Amino acid sequence: NAGVMQNPRHLVRRRGQEARLRCSPMKGHSHVYWYRQLPEEGLKFMVYLQKENIIDESGMPKERFSAEFPKEGPSILRIQQVVRGDSAAYFCASSPATTDTQYFGPGTRLTVL
Amino acid sequence: ELKVEQNPLFLSMQEGKNYTIYCNYSTTSDRLYWYRQDPGKSLESLFVLLSNGAVKQEGRLMASLDTKARLSTLHITAAVHDLSATYFCAVGYNNAGNMLTFGGGTRLMVKP
Repeated sequence: NAGVMQNPRHLVRRRGQEARLRCSPMKGHSHVYWYRQLPEEGLKFMVYLQKENIIDESGMPKERFSAEFPKEGPSILRIQQVVRGDSAAYFCASSPATTDTQYFGPGTRLTVL
Repeated sequence: ELKVEQNPLFLSMQEGKNYTIYCNYSTTSDRLYWYRQDPGKSLESLFVLLSNGAVKQEGRLMASLDTKARLSTLHITAAVHDLSATYFCAVGYNNAGNMLTFGGGTRLMVKP
C-alpha cells in the first residue's frame, strides 16, 4: 500500500505567481488534512477535507489560499499570487476515519523568490 | 484556543543516557500523538495515546498520557545515535474532525 504521495517535492515560484500542490491520500483514506511548517517550527493546521467537501478551513488564510478534494483525483492546495512569507513546507496527511492516526506525505517545499 | 508546549526545545545527550521530553496542552483532549521528523523529511508516527493512563513502548521510547494533568511524556532509555531527530507531540481537537495542534518540537541530538 503506497503511502501518502505529494508532488511536486520542491517548488520554486516568483512573487505573484500561483503555486499548486497535490496530495494523493493512502488507498482507502477519505480524510485529508493540510499543514504548513515554517523553518524550525511545528506544523500548523490549515484545512481538513473529505471527498468533495471542505469540513474545516479555519487554519487557512482567507485570501489567496484555496483547497479542494474532488471526487476523482488528488487533493489540491492552491496559493495565488504567492509572497515570500508563503515559503514553507506544506504537508498533507490522510486517515481512514476521523479519529485515526494521520499519515503524512513527504511534503512540498515551496520557495518564493 | 488550544496550545501545546514541549520542553525542552533542544536536547543534547550522550549515548546510553535516559531522558524525558514533556508535552503540556491547554484544553481537554483524549487524543495525543507523538511523531518523529528527520531533517528535510516527513513525519513518522510513533505513538497514539487515547486514554488517561495510557502507556506505550517501542524499543527505547516510551510514551504516557495523563489527561487530568494535560501532560504527556516521551521517555528515552539508553539513547543511541539513531534516535537523533526532532520529536513532536500533537493533540487532536474538534469533534468534527481530528485537526492536530502541534507542539514546537524537541530537537534531540545523541552524541556517541
